[in-house]
Order: sequence, then C-alpha cells, then structure tokens
Amino acid sequence: EAQVTQNPRYLITVTGKKLTVTCSQNMNHEYMSWYRQDPGLGLRQIYYSMNVEVTDKGDVPEGYKVSRKEKRNFPLILESPSPNQTSLYFCARGDIPLGGRETQYFGPGTRLLVL
Amino acid sequence: AQSVAQPEDQVNVAEGNPLTVKCTYSVSGNPYLFWYVQYPNRGLQFLLKYITGDNLVKGSYGFEAEFNKSQTSFHLKKPSALVSDSALYFCAVRASSYGNNRLAFGKGNQVVVIP
Repeated sequence: EAQVTQNPRYLITVTGKKLTVTCSQNMNHEYMSWYRQDPGLGLRQIYYSMNVEVTDKGDVPEGYKVSRKEKRNFPLILESPSPNQTSLYFCARGDIPLGGRETQYFGPGTRLLVL
Repeated sequence: AQSVAQPEDQVNVAEGNPLTVKCTYSVSGNPYLFWYVQYPNRGLQFLLKYITGDNLVKGSYGFEAEFNKSQTSFHLKKPSALVSDSALYFCAVRASSYGNNRLAFGKGNQVVVIP
C-alpha cells in the first residue's frame, strides 16, 4: 500500500527547543513537500524537493529547514520553534513529475503546539 | 504568482440535494487544477484533477468538476450529497509553466450535509 508516514503525529514543545518531524514515503517518488494548515488560511507550502539533494523554498519557509539525503525521507526541522509555528503540518509525495502534472498524496498530519 | 479563491466558508446542503463547492483561480498561463477533501482528524485525500482535455473531470466518490477557462473557475459538484460527504474541501492550482513546482491552495470550504 502506497503510504506517506509522519512522526510524531502529535507534539507539544517549548519555545526554542529544536525538533524534527520525519516524513517517509514508500513509492520511490522524486517529489516531496511540506505544508502547514492554519484555520482560515488553508494549506501553505513550506518547502519542497524535486529529488535527492534538491530542495527549494515554498511560500512560508521562514523558521524551517529540510533535508533530502535519500529519496524516501524528507524531514522538517525547526531549529528554534516559536509559538507562531503552532500548526498542523502535512507532508506530501508526488507521482511522475511532468512539469507540475503530478498528483500530490498527503500524510496523516502532525499537530504541533509550541508553548 | 498563482492563487485560489474559495468564496464560501461553509456550504450547507440537505442530503440528496446537489452539492456545489466553488473555486476560482488566478494563474499565469494554463492551470493545473486539483480538488482535495479532508475528513475530521485525517489528512487530505485526492479527489480529482484537471490537466488538459475535456472540461468536465470525474473523480472519486461520485464527484466531478468543470473547468471554465473564461470564468477562471473549477467548481466541484456532486449530483446527490450524502451525510458522509461532510468534510473540508480544498481547491488547488499550479501554473503549467516549466519549472513551476509550487501548488497554491485555497482556504477551504466546510461542507455540511444535513440528514
């Protein structure tokens, strides 16, 4: 079964304490992406990756880092979390990237609370 | 830059009645358009997409959407709504230009189907 897995699913942390949210896909897809979902704002893209060692900023990259050392994993790193990063985070994978035609499939989400 | 407008915060419909969720977009060049649904405490599920060809696109769970280039719209429709269709629906757009890998989402529409 094609899956995107995220861990942890729920996380409560304090301001300034570094954290990593992992994302893994089992479909060998080149494209992966991170989004945050906030009420009234929909989903906003944080970072995306077209392939191993190829990453680029989305619409709201400030305060986040990503890495793509291998195709299956795309972790999201918050070096110094702040309360405004409290949100619901989704990782996504994309199939057959052909100039943007790919469909993105989403993980179950990670709910983060930064105190 | 690309953007999506979903003008209604909530759509209420009686079970068995037609359901329409509105979406208009703004993009340079030709669009790729997507609809996703999010059930409570779940990730986003892909419903359908328009890439090219027939303006009427059929997707999962009996949903369809019509691409209207002159009105820059991609409204989601279902002929007969079910209570289980109650969920949050997101429209998304990406420009078809080469190198554009960013997907823009609308803020979402809450659909409530009344028994």
